[in-house]
Amino acid sequence: DAGVTQSPTHLIKTRGQQVTLRCSPKSGHDTVSWYQQALGQGPQFIFQYYEEEERQRGNFPDRFSGHQFPNYSSELNVNALLLGDSALYLCASSLSEGGRDYNEQFFGPGTRLTVL
Amino acid sequence: AQSVTQLDSQVPVFEEAPVELRCNYSSSVSVYLFWYVQYPNQGLQLLLKYLSGSTLVKGINGFEAEFNKSQTSFHLRKPSVHISDTAEYFCAVRGRYNFNKFYFGSGTKLNVKP
Repeated sequence: DAGVTQSPTHLIKTRGQQVTLRCSPKSGHDTVSWYQQALGQGPQFIFQYYEEEERQRGNFPDRFSGHQFPNYSSELNVNALLLGDSALYLCASSLSEGGRDYNEQFFGPGTRLTVL
Repeated sequence: AQSVTQLDSQVPVFEEAPVELRCNYSSSVSVYLFWYVQYPNQGLQLLLKYLSGSTLVKGINGFEAEFNKSQTSFHLRKPSVHISDTAEYFCAVRGRYNFNKFYFGSGTKLNVKP
């Protein structure tokens, strides 16, 4: 049973460009959350998707947007990249309606984004 | 909203010595508490969690944590560390009814020396 997977592993972009990161949740999970982890910091909540809609959002600008597909996978899009967007982007999946994994989040290995 | 404070950014310790990593949280509502470990270039792995019941929680790899509501703390302990425990540890909190929105501390780097 595959856990949470993310692609790509690493990405290098220049300022002003746009980037799309992808996440496949753990089998059976229906909720995907995205976090930004800057160097030396803890993960910061960006937003969460459930039933293909953004359910909650952290303190991030509108340049950060996302999408959830019918198979529960998700994308994170960042427009007009800034140097400060360089970070490890973590995807976490969970179950919103009860079950063994309820109340837990399972994290993927992350995508390392470098903005030059 | 909730917040988490991990006072120690780095904790050096010798192999086989005990260790405690401190975590304090702030919240106006009931919370669930978690400890995660992150090895270099990897994602987060759950060590243990407190949802309800016994305030002493045991997790993987010999770690345990104690929930103290009056002191709003959730310190992580291990009686005897190994070299392989060298990693970064994150304390996290979420509101009991907040649909899995987690707030993380800034992390504590545990450096186990031989």
